Amino acid sequence: GAVVSQHPSWVICKSGTSVKIECRSLDFQATTMFWYRQFPKQSLMLMATSNEGSKATYEQGVEKDKFLINHASLTLSTLTVTSAHPEDSSFYICSATLERLARDYEQYFGPGTRLTVT
Amino acid sequence: DAKTTQPPSMDCAEGRAANLPCNHSTISGNEYVYWYRQIHSQGPQYIIHGLKNNETNEMASLIITEDRKSSTLILPHATLRDTAVYYCIASSNYKLTFGKGTLLTVNP
Repeated sequence: GAVVSQHPSWVICKSGTSVKIECRSLDFQATTMFWYRQFPKQSLMLMATSNEGSKATYEQGVEKDKFLINHASLTLSTLTVTSAHPEDSSFYICSATLERLARDYEQYFGPGTRLTVT
Repeated sequence: DAKTTQPPSMDCAEGRAANLPCNHSTISGNEYVYWYRQIHSQGPQYIIHGLKNNETNEMASLIITEDRKSSTLILPHATLRDTAVYYCIASSNYKLTFGKGTLLTVNP
């Protein structure tokens, strides 16, 4: 149980185009999903918190107009990188939160999406 | 969230127990200790978490000191597939802040 999928697993796009990444919780409902970015040899950096039915909360330094997040249902969140540039090339990872007991959470991660902007 | 400190790297022989330490001396009473691992080019994998009591599941055991200022993740019989970066995170909600973690290398 507690499986999170991402699609696509990798994508190459040209500079200036937009790319959409999907994140799905397959066997549970997640009221909260997170989006992370990881550059080579670095740790994961939280980009934004996504709650179903409401606007995402972005971390400091993350451009909300560039990284559009939509959390349309309890099992799906999407990240759209708009007008992508080579510096946006990175490993994007989503996660979904499972609340087993009150205030006792487990967070499950997707396999990641490798984005390369040429 | 409380800051955690982990050694940057550790080695372990295959079949032996791997004991990964984590210091979280400023942890507050409502913060859980979470352990995740990341195998190269994959998303992090949840391992275990706990608040005060020691915890065990099919993957590992988590030993938390009585004062909660440190913890140890134990992989009882390490295999080559356990080679990964292990992250120890203290959090009072579902928001996780990843540090640099410990690169555990299991050697044959």
